[in-house]
Amino acid sequence: QSALTQPASVSGSPGQSITISCTGTSSDVGGYNYVSWYQQHPGKAPKLMIYDVSNRPSGISNRFSGSKSGNTASLTISGLQAEDEADYYCSSYSSSNTVLFGGGTKVTVL
Amino acid sequence: DVQLLESGGGLVQPGGSLRLSCAASGFTFSSYAMSWVRQAPGKGLEWVSAISGSGASTYYADSVKGRFTISRDNSKNTLYLQMNSLRAEDTAVYYCAKDQGIRGLIKGLDYWGQGTLVTVSS
Repeated sequence: QSALTQPASVSGSPGQSITISCTGTSSDVGGYNYVSWYQQHPGKAPKLMIYDVSNRPSGISNRFSGSKSGNTASLTISGLQAEDEADYYCSSYSSSNTVLFGGGTKVTVL
Repeated sequence: DVQLLESGGGLVQPGGSLRLSCAASGFTFSSYAMSWVRQAPGKGLEWVSAISGSGASTYYADSVKGRFTISRDNSKNTLYLQMNSLRAEDTAVYYCAKDQGIRGLIKGLDYWGQGTLVTVSS
C-alpha cells in the first residue's frame, strides 16, 4: 500500500489558477473513478472538496474542480484566493479494499 | 447538524492498548459507513480503517491489520477503534469521519471530528 504521489508544494498569485496532481497506479487512481480531494487548514480537520473524481459536495465553490487521466488525478483551483492557502490531499479507493492518501500538497498564495 | 466527537486518546506505553470512541449525532448513523484516519505530528493523512453502515464489513490498512479492530454500536450511534500492541509509529491524531455512502471506501468522507491525540511512548 504505497501512498499516492503529490507535489510537495504549489503556489500562485491571487486570481490565478493552479493544478495539483495525484499519481497512482492502475490498481487505484487509474482503475476506479473513486478519487477524492481534501483541504486542511493548520490545526483543523480535513474538509471534503471533491469526490468521485469531479463531483463537488454541496457548499463547495465551483472554483474547485477535479479530473483524471490514466493513473493521474488533478485538482484545479481557479481564481485563487487567500483563503485557499492550505494543505490538499488526494485519496483513492484501491483494489486491495483500502483507501490510499497522497502525501499532501501545500498551496501558497503569493 | 452533523457532529462527531472523538474520545479516548492519551499517553500509552509501547505494547499497550487503547480504545477510541466517536459519538455521532445529526444523521442516521446506521445508514453510513464510518472511517478512522490518522495524522502523525507534522505529517500527512493516513487512512486506518473503515466499517460499513451495518457493521458487517470491516477494512484495515496493512499497517494496523491484526492489531486494530473497528466496530460500531448503531443503537448508541458510536464508532470504536480498539488499538492493541501499540507502537511509537502509531502516535498521531486520530480522526473519526463519516462516509458519504453505506458501503464505505469509495464515496469520500464528508464530515470529520476534531480528532483525539494518541501518544505511544515510554
